[in-house]
Amino acid sequence: EPEVTQTPSHQVTQMGQEVILRCVPISNHLYFYWYRQILGQKVEFLVSFYNNEISEKSEIFDDQFSVERPDGSNFTLKIRSTKLEDSAMYFCASSEFGLAGDEQFFGPGTRLTVL
Amino acid sequence: AQSVTQLGSHVSVSEGALVLLRCNYSSSVPPYLFWYVQYPNQGLQLLLKYTSAATLVKGINGFEAEFKKSETSFHLTKPSAHMSDAAEYFCAVRHGSSNTGKLIFGQGTTLQVKP
Repeated sequence: EPEVTQTPSHQVTQMGQEVILRCVPISNHLYFYWYRQILGQKVEFLVSFYNNEISEKSEIFDDQFSVERPDGSNFTLKIRSTKLEDSAMYFCASSEFGLAGDEQFFGPGTRLTVL
Repeated sequence: AQSVTQLGSHVSVSEGALVLLRCNYSSSVPPYLFWYVQYPNQGLQLLLKYTSAATLVKGINGFEAEFKKSETSFHLTKPSAHMSDAAEYFCAVRHGSSNTGKLIFGQGTTLQVKP
């Protein structure tokens, strides 16, 4: 069964460093998403991406964040200069279409720890 | 603005007992509603979804949920809990006319199943 994969499963970094979180969405999917979950809090939407551009982004997704689909399979989230408050579980998701009723398939997440 | 409230961050039931996980939503337009489950060290998996068809929705693993517009609720139930149901459950809402796919999640409910 096709699945979304994410690497690494756990990333530890120093404050101020750049990190890149990687995701491989399901191969025939066209819409891609990043969410994050700070420990003990809700899963929050960060950004959606379609046709090589951002469709929607949340207030959290400021200039420190960027997304890219560098090739036909990977979808990355970059945080340019990490802050302590960026520590969270980051989930990638993909869907075949962007319709409201479509299922989003989630990856297992990357736990980011900023020291 | 849309929002989701899950009543009870922790629910504990005995094996074989009824499972009831509560979800209330707020939406100014007809919502699309989802329940996701997260097992330890895994991504979020869709249990079921409401997309304005039948108000009683059946999902995987014996779960079902009923959309009640008058109560703005979408509670998740299962007649008989199994040990394997122990996990975290998330209710989510999406704007009915959204074409960006943003999901808005509740806080999550951890289900414990006692032998």
